[in-house]
Amino acid sequence: DGGITQSPKYLFRKEGQNVTLSCEQNLNHDAMYWYRQDPGQGLRLIYYSQIVNDFQKGDIAEGYSVSREKKESFPLTVTSAQKNPTAFYLCASSKLGSYEQYFGPGTRLTVT
Amino acid sequence: GENVEQHPSTLSVQEGDSAVIKCTYSDSASNYFPWYKQELGKGPQLIIDIRSNVGEKKDQRIAVTLNKTAKHFSLHITETQPEDSAVYFCAATRGGTGTASKLTFGTGTRLQVTL
Repeated sequence: DGGITQSPKYLFRKEGQNVTLSCEQNLNHDAMYWYRQDPGQGLRLIYYSQIVNDFQKGDIAEGYSVSREKKESFPLTVTSAQKNPTAFYLCASSKLGSYEQYFGPGTRLTVT
Repeated sequence: GENVEQHPSTLSVQEGDSAVIKCTYSDSASNYFPWYKQELGKGPQLIIDIRSNVGEKKDQRIAVTLNKTAKHFSLHITETQPEDSAVYFCAATRGGTGTASKLTFGTGTRLQVTL
């Protein structure tokens, strides 16, 4: 069953704590992306990666970090430096050179 | 960078009627325009897309039109059904072979199909 999985679906953290969101894909896609979605807004790109061990900042990378040690995995860490971390986080992937992006089910992070 | 505007923000139609959602983009080099449907609490699902060398594309009850001169594109849903109720997002990218496609999204349209 091919697709993108994100875990957990809901995540709660206290302010000042770092938290890592998981994203795994078995589509053999080269490129992976992290987006943030806030109520009533579109998706905003946080980071993306085209190949293993390489990643680029998106439009709102401040307060976030990523790694890409395996083709299948692209975890996102929300650090304590992120001022407004509560949001719905979406991971996506695409074949390198293809425009079509496919999304995972998302993780809703709540920081109090 | 690219800027995508989407209208309306909410749209209510009766079952069986048509729905139209419009987007404008700013980067004349953008060449790929997807539409996503997002149901509550789920990730967006790609429903249709169009490339800059095509003016219109249809897939059963949904169609997308592109006007490159005016830099706008629209999603048309005919014979709407209750299961069409969702949030719809347009996006644009200039893409490029060998590079990841950095999509810029509109702010979404909440479509409600009433019985």
